[in-house]
Amino acid sequence: AQSVTQPDIHITVSEGASLELRCNYSYGATPYLFWYVQSPGQGLQLLLKYFSGDTLVQGIKGFEAEFKRSQSSFNLRKPSVHWSDAAEYFCAVGPHNQGGKLIFGQGTELSVKP
Amino acid sequence: DAEITQSPRHKITETGRQVTLACHQTWNHNNMFWYRQDLGHGLRLIHYSYGVQDTNKGEVSDGYSVSRSNTEDLPLTLESAASSQTSVYFCASSENPSGSRREQYFGPGTRLTVT
Repeated sequence: AQSVTQPDIHITVSEGASLELRCNYSYGATPYLFWYVQSPGQGLQLLLKYFSGDTLVQGIKGFEAEFKRSQSSFNLRKPSVHWSDAAEYFCAVGPHNQGGKLIFGQGTELSVKP
Repeated sequence: DAEITQSPRHKITETGRQVTLACHQTWNHNNMFWYRQDLGHGLRLIHYSYGVQDTNKGEVSDGYSVSRSNTEDLPLTLESAASSQTSVYFCASSENPSGSRREQYFGPGTRLTVT
């Protein structure tokens, strides 16, 4: 069955430091890939998406993600974290054979130290 | 601006009562989804719809139902609320089930407590 794994439940980084959040998926073909961010008490906001083409995709708020087919990964990165980036981050995949459904990882909570 | 709204934002109900959570989108999207979010489980799909009169069960559909009588609304009904259904519920919509418009847009959520 398709699945999405975010190995890190909670990550703490210092403000200004770089960030990488990991996401691995299990699927036979390259699915559609997404990263969402959720601030406390709010809904999910799309950060970026990958469908095809260039494997490095740029998103909002200075985030980027790199698709690596050989590793079945879609890791999210940001070169310099701001205190306002503290939130929960979800990776999601959209298998080609499941219509519009998305499968979400369990999320990674990011804390930012001043 | 187009948006997706949910009401109520907070709800407390008693075990055994019927509860309906509203979801309304002005994106004119065909696809709508209901998820529940619980600690340690991420988002789990309850029901979804690909258009008017179309409804489908997700992975955690027991005890829930939906109906789609128009494009804009997908209400979620808990037939007989149980304490296990205490959760935060999110509605989402998307334009196109395939291709580059597959991303889902989320509402602000409804926090439901069943006592």
